[in-house]
Amino acid sequence: AQKITQTQPGMFVQEKEAVTLDCTYDTSDPSYGLFWYKQPSSGEMIFLIYQGSYDQQNATEGRYSLNFQKARKSANLVISASQLGDSAMYFCAMRAAQGAQKLVFGQGTRLTINP
Amino acid sequence: DAGITQSPRHKVTETGTPVTLRCHQTENHRYMYWYRQDPGHGLRLIHYSYGVKDTDKGEVSDGYSVSRSKTEDFLLTLESATSSQTSVYFCAISESPGYPDSNEKLFFGSGTQLSVL
Repeated sequence: AQKITQTQPGMFVQEKEAVTLDCTYDTSDPSYGLFWYKQPSSGEMIFLIYQGSYDQQNATEGRYSLNFQKARKSANLVISASQLGDSAMYFCAMRAAQGAQKLVFGQGTRLTINP
Repeated sequence: DAGITQSPRHKVTETGTPVTLRCHQTENHRYMYWYRQDPGHGLRLIHYSYGVKDTDKGEVSDGYSVSRSKTEDFLLTLESATSSQTSVYFCAISESPGYPDSNEKLFFGSGTQLSVL
């Protein structure tokens, strides 16, 4: 079965610092996709970044990058130069062959950016 | 923004009563999903649909049923609500993923806060 684990329930970071949110995954499938979503206090789910299992390079989207370490089965989200507006819940998710139609989500990490 | 509307946005009901949540999309996406969000559990899939009248169970489907009679509408029904079903319910849509490492992402509705007293 596929599983996503986010071990940091909460993180506190100073504004302008870089922050890494951890995500490890478990699947026996060679083909899978990894996603990160942001949920601000308003509640909506916002897609941030995607990484495919066969991608050779780490994905980047503006200030967001995904540190993909396939052998370690980790897909950490890196936010550079954090801003107050980055305060939110962050969810890691995976789609794998066993249930390719579905996204399985981790428990989430609540990130708080301090001024 | 993806055209997804969930109704109602908030609902308070009593244990034992039936409840139906509606998800309506204007994107003509094939796949529709119902997730519930609870602290410490993230989002968990309840049911999903891959076409009109085609549905399948997710990881937490007990106590829930779904129906999809039109492409644009996906209904989630709690036949007899229990306090353990107090949660935030999200509807999501996507194009057909096609393959496991597809980059097709889910688009989410605004959520329904359901309280079962």
